[in-house]
Amino acid sequence: DVKVTQSSRYLVKRTGEKVFLECVQDMDHENMFWYRQDPGLGLRLIYFSYDVKMKEKGDIPEGYSVSREKKERFSLILESASTNQTSMYLCASSSTVTSGGALADTQYFGPGTRLTVL
Amino acid sequence: SQQGEEDPQALSIQEGENATMNCSYKTSINNLQWYRQNSGRGLVHLILIRSNEREKHSGRLRVTLDTSKKSSSLLITASRAADTASYFCATERRGSNYKLTFGKGTLLTVNP
Repeated sequence: DVKVTQSSRYLVKRTGEKVFLECVQDMDHENMFWYRQDPGLGLRLIYFSYDVKMKEKGDIPEGYSVSREKKERFSLILESASTNQTSMYLCASSSTVTSGGALADTQYFGPGTRLTVL
Repeated sequence: SQQGEEDPQALSIQEGENATMNCSYKTSINNLQWYRQNSGRGLVHLILIRSNEREKHSGRLRVTLDTSKKSSSLLITASRAADTASYFCATERRGSNYKLTFGKGTLLTVNP
């Protein structure tokens, strides 16, 4: 089974803090994604990565950065957290090939991190 | 703007009934996928249909794709209370390099 884990289920931070959200996948997937999900807005792509040390901006990258130093790990960084970054953050991974029970082109999601910025 | 738009936004049915959700999109796609999300959890992939396919089945799920109308439907037959969840369609646009664009979802409630 594909497993995508996220470092925390719930996180409370203060305005101005630097926040790290970690995501790890165990399927050797080359693609990894960070989304945020807000009521009425659905899922919006923040950043994605299609290889180690490669990253591309999604639809809403402002206020965020990412790091992918190893293939299995993709980190989302909030440089200076603000209240409007309170949200559910979802990480996903995918591959272009079908392997080990994981289908090609399908995204596998972690359980999510609900971040509250006070 | 959202590539995929689900319709209806919310649907409430009785156990045993069928549930149909629709998705419309705007641009050419490589594939369209349906995902399910239980409250407060991550998304789970249900089914993928490629642009050259018209219909696909998986258990109690049936997905159709009409590329001429840029629309898809997800049918859940003989629904159960455990099917209560939000359902999202997601499209991989041509040339988007593995990215998916999600709709805002349909909240399905199946009453026992």
